[in-house]
Amino acid sequence: SQTIHQWPATLVQPVGSPLSLECTVEGTSNPNLYWYRQAAGRGLQLLFYSVGIGQISSEVPQNLSASRPQDRQFILSSKKLLLSDSGFYLCAWRPSAAGELFFGEGSRLTVL
Amino acid sequence: RKEVEQDPGPFNVPEGATVAFNCTYSNSASQSFFWYRQDCRKEPKLLMSVYSSGNEDGRFTAQLNRASQYISLLIRDSKLSDSATYLCVVSPNTGGFKTIFGAGTRLFVKA
Repeated sequence: SQTIHQWPATLVQPVGSPLSLECTVEGTSNPNLYWYRQAAGRGLQLLFYSVGIGQISSEVPQNLSASRPQDRQFILSSKKLLLSDSGFYLCAWRPSAAGELFFGEGSRLTVL
Repeated sequence: RKEVEQDPGPFNVPEGATVAFNCTYSNSASQSFFWYRQDCRKEPKLLMSVYSSGNEDGRFTAQLNRASQYISLLIRDSKLSDSATYLCVVSPNTGGFKTIFGAGTRLFVKA
């Protein structure tokens, strides 16, 4: 069966520090991968999606970036965090362009 | 206009009540529709897909009205465990890869 792993689960970072969140999917190949952010009390905001290795589409201009170095690995990064980057980051996958999204357990980021 | 709009609530209902949520979407080319449930500080999880003919899963019934571009979720005989945020989710046609989430409707079921 397919599983999705996301880490770290929780982190507290100072403003201006770098960020790296990692997500891996097991049990499938060539998944569509997504990064969402959910600010406190808000809906999910699509940040990036990827349909293949090295193929990244960005939905919102920001100081975040994403990379897909391997088929089942998706990384969210920042060189310098802002206070506004605080939130709940969710990685998700699905086997094709349509259908159900499966989420990782999320990474809760607090920028101080 | 937001791509997917939901009444944020909160809806406060007693156990056993019937509650209905609506969701409207702006992209008439949308093809796939879902309701997700999100518990506090947890990831969203699929509650049910929404089919053109409507579908039911136990106490939950989902309806799609393409002409009016809205989706509904009906929960009958509410349980305390139904307390959560319910997210309306819309995907465009198969040529696109974006899935848009509504901001969610908060439900509190009280004893």
